[in-house]
Amino acid sequence: SAVISQKPSRDICQRGTSLTIQCQVDSQVTMMFWYRQQPGQSLTLIATANQGSEATYESGFVIDKFPISRPNLTFSTLTVSNMSPEDSSIYLCSVGGSYEQYFGPGTRLTVT
Amino acid sequence: AQKITQTQPGMFVQEKEAVTLDCTYDTSDQSYGLFWYKQPSSGEMIFLIYQGSYDEQNATEGRYSLNFQKARKSANLVISASQLGDSAMYFCAMRGPYNTNAGKSTFGDGTTLTVKP
Repeated sequence: SAVISQKPSRDICQRGTSLTIQCQVDSQVTMMFWYRQQPGQSLTLIATANQGSEATYESGFVIDKFPISRPNLTFSTLTVSNMSPEDSSIYLCSVGGSYEQYFGPGTRLTVT
Repeated sequence: AQKITQTQPGMFVQEKEAVTLDCTYDTSDQSYGLFWYKQPSSGEMIFLIYQGSYDEQNATEGRYSLNFQKARKSANLVISASQLGDSAMYFCAMRGPYNTNAGKSTFGDGTTLTVKP
């Protein structure tokens, strides 16, 4: 299993600002994943972050809104840019293999 | 495209009884993986159990078992001897062919389970 930490655990932000979420894994992994969970809803994959290459975004998510960094094999950041109240969600970092998937504790973001 | 359907928004079960949470899926892939996760009110996502499409036996992990019926495209989670701590949201998820990372899974809408004392 993998142990994943995220910072911050929660934040309240003003509309129009940006927040960077950090994800740290206790082992080296090739791929890291960022998910969004809007209130009362399921998880939606935002993007896949590979070390040494550009992140791959899912349909409906763009790099300008959700820039991602992956400087090494244990760390990644997700920035939520120019925030609006619709960005209020839990953002989860994840790693996995073919047979299991592990999540960080999540970052609860509220945009006012 | 993959699709996961969980038709039970909420379920109730008496403590110590067994409960089945339904999950059906749709995919054109011959090889795929199915997962169940638990999300308590704290928000963390906890991996519970995995079933591969070519696995002949149903997966089991402690009190959790996965009732896999491939022809019906269903992957129901069975929790035996329910405990109060089992109260949570449960998600069914699916990934694509064998070499697809589970991180690229598609999730269902979830089922909220409440265990009554």
